[in-house]
Amino acid sequence: QKEVEQNSGPLSVPEGAIASLNCTYSDRGSQSFFWYRQYSGKSPELIMSIYSNGDKEDGRFTAQLNKASQYVSLLIRDSQPSDSATYLCASGGADGLTFGKGTHLIIQP
Amino acid sequence: KAGVTQTPRYLIKTRGQQVTLSCSPISGHRSVSWYQQTPGQGLQFLFEYFSETQRNKGNFPGRFSGRQFSNSRSEMNVSTLELGDSALYLCASSLGALSSWDTQYFGPGTRLTVL
Repeated sequence: QKEVEQNSGPLSVPEGAIASLNCTYSDRGSQSFFWYRQYSGKSPELIMSIYSNGDKEDGRFTAQLNKASQYVSLLIRDSQPSDSATYLCASGGADGLTFGKGTHLIIQP
Repeated sequence: KAGVTQTPRYLIKTRGQQVTLSCSPISGHRSVSWYQQTPGQGLQFLFEYFSETQRNKGNFPGRFSGRQFSNSRSEMNVSTLELGDSALYLCASSLGALSSWDTQYFGPGTRLTVL
């Protein structure tokens, strides 16, 4: 059974610092990886997608993928209180997305 | 461009009843996927429909079914409701099928409570 593992947190980070979120996945056949942000009571919103090894940067967000270690991470620079949310990691293959249970991130003002 | 819409937003049913949820994808999107989200299990994939055909199915019992219409709108049906079916049901649409790795955009969800 495909699994995506994340530390549930909460992860508390001071405002302005770098928040580092991690996940591991079990299916070596996974080809695509996504980070979604979900505010309480809202639906998930795509933050980043990454398909190849290495780093991908978009504004304050950087996704990192290491297929050999089956590891995906998300870095959030200059963290803001509005970044406080649950972050869901997902791996994708031809048969759908598998989501982790999410990491609850709290940015402390 | 309008986002993914789901109706109804909230629903209360009793055990044994059946329920139908509706999802309208973003205009032009042909793939609709359904997910169940619960505090204990997180977000779990139910099934994907593309061009009116079910392409993928998650590990859920046959009480969960769906269909897609020619305009890409999709419905999900749950028969013989159980207490454990209480959850947030999310649909997501994308341009291509899941196998194309297109970005999925989620709707606001339908909160189902089974009493």
